[in-house]
Amino acid sequence: GAGVSQSPSNKVTEKGKDVELRCDPISGHTALYWYRQSLGQGLEFLIYFQGNSAPDKSGLPSDRFSAERTGGSVSTLTIQRTQQEDSAVYLCASSPGLAGKETQYFGPGTRLLVL
Amino acid sequence: AQSVTQPDIHITVSEGASLELRCNYSYGATPYLFWYVQSPGQGLQLLLKYFSGDTLVQGIKGFEAEFKRSQSSFNLRKPSVHWSDAAEYFCAVGARGGSYIPTFGRGTSLIVHP
Repeated sequence: GAGVSQSPSNKVTEKGKDVELRCDPISGHTALYWYRQSLGQGLEFLIYFQGNSAPDKSGLPSDRFSAERTGGSVSTLTIQRTQQEDSAVYLCASSPGLAGKETQYFGPGTRLLVL
Repeated sequence: AQSVTQPDIHITVSEGASLELRCNYSYGATPYLFWYVQSPGQGLQLLLKYFSGDTLVQGIKGFEAEFKRSQSSFNLRKPSVHWSDAAEYFCAVGARGGSYIPTFGRGTSLIVHP
């Protein structure tokens, strides 16, 4: 079956512009995560959606970052007024249930470059 | 809260040699433990995971890992490395109860010489 897909694959933007990154999780997966991976760094947790519960936004680095998940499926991560330090690979993952125990299935990521 | 340490940023091995990637965790109880691999330009893929039971876990691509409670470690091993194993390897820890968000290590980059 289809895996997790993300779009666009690459995004180049100018400092100060807004960007939207999209994630299509595996059908039926109730949990969805966004991570940021900077060069030479591990995965930085950003936000977590589980079913219809309120998302866990504890990892969002600033109020310029927001995310939503519509219909329990597709998710969009929005970065407003982008800064150069936002340049990174943004990874989306989904899992069938609670992350602590479940395997996460990752998309290929969106590589964001802020000039 | 749990934490993960991967002490080696880079590891270089010759093709055919054995491999061990280190992972140490900090958690108050027995955690869920994972190893993921990230090939260039790809997302992360699960290699293996430990929940309970046998402390030696077999995974895909000939990898195995051993959970050692006394050392708080979950090291990844492979007896004979192939050039296609060159990738970034991440260890992750999931908590039993409480936060359901896994914690990832910083990763170890594996370089394979022919």
